[in-house]
Amino acid sequence: QKEVEQDPGPLSVPEGAIVSLNCTYSNSAFQYFMWYRQYSRKGPELLMYTYSSGNKEDGRFTAQVDKSSKYISLFIRDSQPSDSATYLCAIPPDSGAGSYQLTFGKGTKLSVIP
Amino acid sequence: DADVTQTPRNRITKTGKRIMLECSQTKGHDRMYWYRQDPGLGLRLIYYSFDVKDINKGEISDGYSVSRQAQAKFSLSLESAIPNQTALYFCATSGTGLGNEQFFGPGTRLTVL
Repeated sequence: QKEVEQDPGPLSVPEGAIVSLNCTYSNSAFQYFMWYRQYSRKGPELLMYTYSSGNKEDGRFTAQVDKSSKYISLFIRDSQPSDSATYLCAIPPDSGAGSYQLTFGKGTKLSVIP
Repeated sequence: DADVTQTPRNRITKTGKRIMLECSQTKGHDRMYWYRQDPGLGLRLIYYSFDVKDINKGEISDGYSVSRQAQAKFSLSLESAIPNQTALYFCATSGTGLGNEQFFGPGTRLTVL
């Protein structure tokens, strides 16, 4: 089982819709998670950073962690065409397994249609 | 100026050629990474370096080599390019400590014919 799984989409929604992007992870010991956003022809950039204790809100974006089901979500309210991008979840290094770098999900490509 | 720069931004080459991709950063970070990104496969780590004297293989290092010339410079080489190395390549940097935010360059689109 991979450490993190993410539905690659693509996902297409109308402007103003609520978007839900999701990942599952395998190691219950992880304490924090990241969401990166990647615009076309650009490198990924950190969007949100959240600990496993619940929700974190930043403007129209909310990151949520469900430890019991090992599920992480990113919600986008009132989606805008400028939100069109690929969203990647990332989990921290598993130092117990000798890993010292982030592991990224495959990314979900989102298109918000005007 | 961008914090992480990559050169070239685009490169088309032929099978068997030696290719070098270069990365420079002005963030003062010790840690640098090389990834490749392919449709449906996501980002995969090729090599990473935690300081000038520390080089480590990532998930897919076969066919690649790296050189950390200085804290700010990390280059990726394909000694003999093959078509399945056609991909988007990203350099990234991060501070020390587990899981610190990674800052990515703009990417190099490499096509091997």
